[in-house]
Amino acid sequence: DAEITQSPRHKITETGRQVTLACHQTWNHNNMFWYRQDLGHGLRLIHYSYGVQDTNKGEVSDGYSVSRSNTEDLPLTLESAASSQTSVYFCASSEGRGGTGELFFGEGSRLTVL
Amino acid sequence: AQSVAQPEDQVNVAEGNPLTVKCTYSVSGNPYLFWYVQYPNRGLQFLLKYITGDNLVKGSYGFEAEFNKSQTSFHLKKPSALVSDSALYFCAVSDGASGTYKYIFGTGTRLKVLA
Repeated sequence: DAEITQSPRHKITETGRQVTLACHQTWNHNNMFWYRQDLGHGLRLIHYSYGVQDTNKGEVSDGYSVSRSNTEDLPLTLESAASSQTSVYFCASSEGRGGTGELFFGEGSRLTVL
Repeated sequence: AQSVAQPEDQVNVAEGNPLTVKCTYSVSGNPYLFWYVQYPNRGLQFLLKYITGDNLVKGSYGFEAEFNKSQTSFHLKKPSALVSDSALYFCAVSDGASGTYKYIFGTGTRLKVLA
């Protein structure tokens, strides 16, 4: 079965370190998204991509970057981790264009920045 | 800019009673509306969506939602709640006319079904 997997599922790091969260999907979807989930804020969009070599900034992109070198993967990098980036991160993908397709979510990556 | 509001942080309902979880939205073009459910320590799961057509949309696990354009609402409903429906529910919208279709989520509503 097709799926979307995130790794690591849990990570503890220190302020100032670079962190990369991996996202791999086997749905062959063109569209991929990264969200962070925080209490009281719901899910907020960090970055998104509509295809290979395409990346776009979401509502809360400061301090994060992504790259899309193939269809399957959209890794999220925190260049210099900050305590404010402690959160649960979700990767999602969807098919088609125009925003009509539902999102398929990974299980999440819980990041703690000390 | 598109936005979604879920006015209730928590909804409590007795098992067997009907439930409603509210959602209102704001978009500049045609709204594409979605409901997702999240169980503890899990990713979100798709429940249903409205793209066009019939205003009453049926989805998974007996849930349905009614699209109301004049009230810009998309409330989630179920005729008879189960304890197993207890979870966190998210409404989301994408703007069909924006050209940059990003999915924006509400802050979530925790549904607690009491036995």
